[in-house]
Amino acid sequence: KAGVTQTPRYLIKTRGQQVTLSCSPISGHRSVSWYQQTPGQGLQFLFEYFSETQRNKGNFPGRFSGRQFSNSRSEMNVSTLELGDSALYLCASSLGDREGQPQHFGDGTRLSIL
Amino acid sequence: SQQGEEDPQALSIQEGENATMNCSYKTSINNLQWYRQNSGRGLVHLILIRSNEREKHSGRLRVTLDTSKKSSSLLITASRAADTASYFCATDAPSSGDKLTFGTGTRLAVRP
Repeated sequence: KAGVTQTPRYLIKTRGQQVTLSCSPISGHRSVSWYQQTPGQGLQFLFEYFSETQRNKGNFPGRFSGRQFSNSRSEMNVSTLELGDSALYLCASSLGDREGQPQHFGDGTRLSIL
Repeated sequence: SQQGEEDPQALSIQEGENATMNCSYKTSINNLQWYRQNSGRGLVHLILIRSNEREKHSGRLRVTLDTSKKSSSLLITASRAADTASYFCATDAPSSGDKLTFGTGTRLAVRP
């Protein structure tokens, strides 16, 4: 079974631009979660989608948004990029139909803001 | 905000030794999970322990959970150089809408 795939692996943008990151979950997984990882703040939860609906949301500004398609693939969008948005963005998938399921992570997209 | 705080922040041991990492958290949980992250890669799920369990084993891994102290420990026995990675605890808590909240991580270096 293929793992979680995130594209692109690396991205360089400038302040003020916007970016879209993509995540393809493991086949059959309906829940996709997004995390931001930085050296200073560690791993921070962004949001979770389940069956095309946002089920959970972290404490990030509205510039961070996401969506999920009918095939469970998910995209995350960040608008008006700031230097502080430089981070590793990780996507994780799970079956999502009950509590306590392990999450399967992709290798992330490394976003650098110049 | 971080739910879990891990201790120590960094640990360096010789191959063959045991490594113990601790995680403390703040609120009641449904379960606690441990993950490993190799440099530049995603996280890999290691083990999940539910709030009504006290100890769990998986291969060379042993996890304990003390809900009265709101703490957990991960023991890796007979460590190998390939165990070099960062280790994170993550809690699934009713107060956080059942989303995973990760700790700060322990960087483990195993010297050959």
